[in-house]
Amino acid sequence: GAGVSQSPRYKVAKRGQDVALRCDPISGHVSLFWYQQALGQGPEFLTYFQNEAQLDKSGLPSDRFFAERPEGSVSTLKIQRTQQEDSAVYLCASSFIGDGELFFGEGSRLTVL
Amino acid sequence: KQEVTQIPAALSVPEGENLVLNCSFTDSAIYNLQWFRQDPGKGLTSLLLIQSSQREQTSGRLNASLDKSSGRSTLYIAASQPGDSATYLCAVRPGNYGQNFVFGPGTRLSVLP
Repeated sequence: GAGVSQSPRYKVAKRGQDVALRCDPISGHVSLFWYQQALGQGPEFLTYFQNEAQLDKSGLPSDRFFAERPEGSVSTLKIQRTQQEDSAVYLCASSFIGDGELFFGEGSRLTVL
Repeated sequence: KQEVTQIPAALSVPEGENLVLNCSFTDSAIYNLQWFRQDPGKGLTSLLLIQSSQREQTSGRLNASLDKSSGRSTLYIAASQPGDSATYLCAVRPGNYGQNFVFGPGTRLSVLP
């Protein structure tokens, strides 16, 4: 696609529900990142994929967070048993290896009630 | 651990002024540095990417410089316009390629007509 696409744009979940956020990176981009952004702050790293390999998941805040990219293109970030502190904007970004310029999607805004 | 700071946190200027936004990072071993703008409720839009071997990049009214040895980058905006109002973020990619980008907290810019 022309840009990084994320869905849903907005998600409201009741505490304890599971949610899944989808990211469709720019075609041909090997690297894919997930970031979490709280209101008024810069994005915080969650996890990084190179093709289908998850090379770094050091930023995932708990074992309730899980990300996958099984075929090296579309990625899903799953949050189990959501808590209020999970409310944030979840940003996906991709880059073409060897260049490094990062391109972001519009984000998925999660609100946990 | 790489840390990125941005000064000022917020800036309000009249239309037409030239302005400088500052970004500082603690570890000079970087692969590249990227400047973004973020409009309210939106994702991040890439403005300029500076590789570690470069000293500056220009795009239209924007000029970004990089002084790796002192751990600083500046974003210069010439002849500011109300449409430039947004939050500007810098992000540093550590020198060990493949690691995640580290973001600053951003500078919130308001250009008054």
